[in-house]
Amino acid sequence: KQEVTQIPAALSVPEGENLVLNCSFTDSAIYNLQWFRQDPGKGLTSLLLIQSSQREQTSGRLNASLDKSSGRSTLYIAASQPGDSATYLCAPYRTSGSRLTFGEGTQLTVNP
Amino acid sequence: NAGVMQNPRHLVRRRGQEARLRCSPMKGHSHVYWYRQLPEEGLKFMVYLQKENIIDESGMPKERFSAEFPKEGPSILRIQQVVRGDSAAYFCASSRGTDFIGGGIYEQYFGPGTRLTVT
Repeated sequence: KQEVTQIPAALSVPEGENLVLNCSFTDSAIYNLQWFRQDPGKGLTSLLLIQSSQREQTSGRLNASLDKSSGRSTLYIAASQPGDSATYLCAPYRTSGSRLTFGEGTQLTVNP
Repeated sequence: NAGVMQNPRHLVRRRGQEARLRCSPMKGHSHVYWYRQLPEEGLKFMVYLQKENIIDESGMPKERFSAEFPKEGPSILRIQQVVRGDSAAYFCASSRGTDFIGGGIYEQYFGPGTRLTVT
């Protein structure tokens, strides 16, 4: 059974800091991983998708890496802004058509 | 291109009533997934459907819950005889299909969710 752990559970930082969110998973057969953000009372917004042939992906101030051998992924946010405040979720999975297994998330607060 | 649409956004039901949640996938998407987020808990997979087929329902409670994705129209998640413990946010996601030739996968796109409250 796949288990996903996200550390830290909560993080509060001043605006402008660079930060790292961690995700670890137990299923060594994972090929892909998605990072999402969820705003309070809202749905999920996909941030980055790392496919099996990739080790990392970048989008703007976000960079995500995937190390399948160790079962870890990190999301790096550069120059954080108050608008980045949200809960960040990682979801590893094997293939398209597979269920996403979510961690509990990291609740990020960026203070102005 | 409209995203995944869910309705209603908020639904209030009394114990014992039925709840019907609808999900219209993105245009061109033929795969639908339902997830549930209980208060103070993470998102949990419920069911995966393709048109007219249930592919994986291993996350569905054994009783009172059912899902369908007909040839025409939205996917429906149906909860019969609701209880207070069913109060949660229900999210639908859609994707274009399974892995495509040459590598690569289709990511899942999520709708805004339906927040069910059982009184």
